[in-house]
Amino acid sequence: SAVISQKPSRDICQRGTSLTIQCQVDSQVTMMFWYRQQPGQSLTLIATANQGSEATYESGFVIDKFPISRPNLTFSTLTVSNMSPEDSSIYLCSVDGGSSYEQYFGPGTRLTVT
Amino acid sequence: AQSVAQPEDQVNVAEGNPLTVKCTYSVSGNPYLFWYVQYPNRGLQFLLKYITGDNLVKGSYGFEAEFNKSQTSFHLKKPSALVSDSALYFCAVRDSGTYKYIFGTGTRLKVLA
Repeated sequence: SAVISQKPSRDICQRGTSLTIQCQVDSQVTMMFWYRQQPGQSLTLIATANQGSEATYESGFVIDKFPISRPNLTFSTLTVSNMSPEDSSIYLCSVDGGSSYEQYFGPGTRLTVT
Repeated sequence: AQSVAQPEDQVNVAEGNPLTVKCTYSVSGNPYLFWYVQYPNRGLQFLLKYITGDNLVKGSYGFEAEFNKSQTSFHLKKPSALVSDSALYFCAVRDSGTYKYIFGTGTRLKVLA
């Protein structure tokens, strides 16, 4: 399994500002994923981030709004840009477990935009 | 397109009684199926998976799930519920081509003392 940490664990931000969320894994992984979970809802995949290539975004999510970096095999960041109250959610990163087929999830970042 | 359905938003069960949380799926090819649990203010924790083999899969915390190919179901079960099992449960299917997960809408389990 993989142990994943995220920073910050929560934040309250003003409308129009940006927040960068960090995801750190304790082992090298090829595929990382970023999800959004709106209050009381299921998880929606934002993008897949592979090291050495541009992130692949899902329908409804764009790079200008959610830029992602993946500088190495243990780290990724997701930025939520020009925030509005509708961006208030939990943001989770996960990694693909390879041959185990599982995904391992970080604890999430709870974002509130006022 | 692959999909997962959890028909119940909430399941209530008395402590000590058996519990079932339902999940049905639609995939092309062989399904890779998973159950995760989310406690308040926490990330998702893996419970169990079906990849191949025995239809009855045993997982963490006494949970098990039965894979039923003819009914395209993968229901989560536990013989005797605990109050501490109260949480949000997600069923998911893994896309074999992209490695992405498709999650169900989640079922909130409430175990009453």
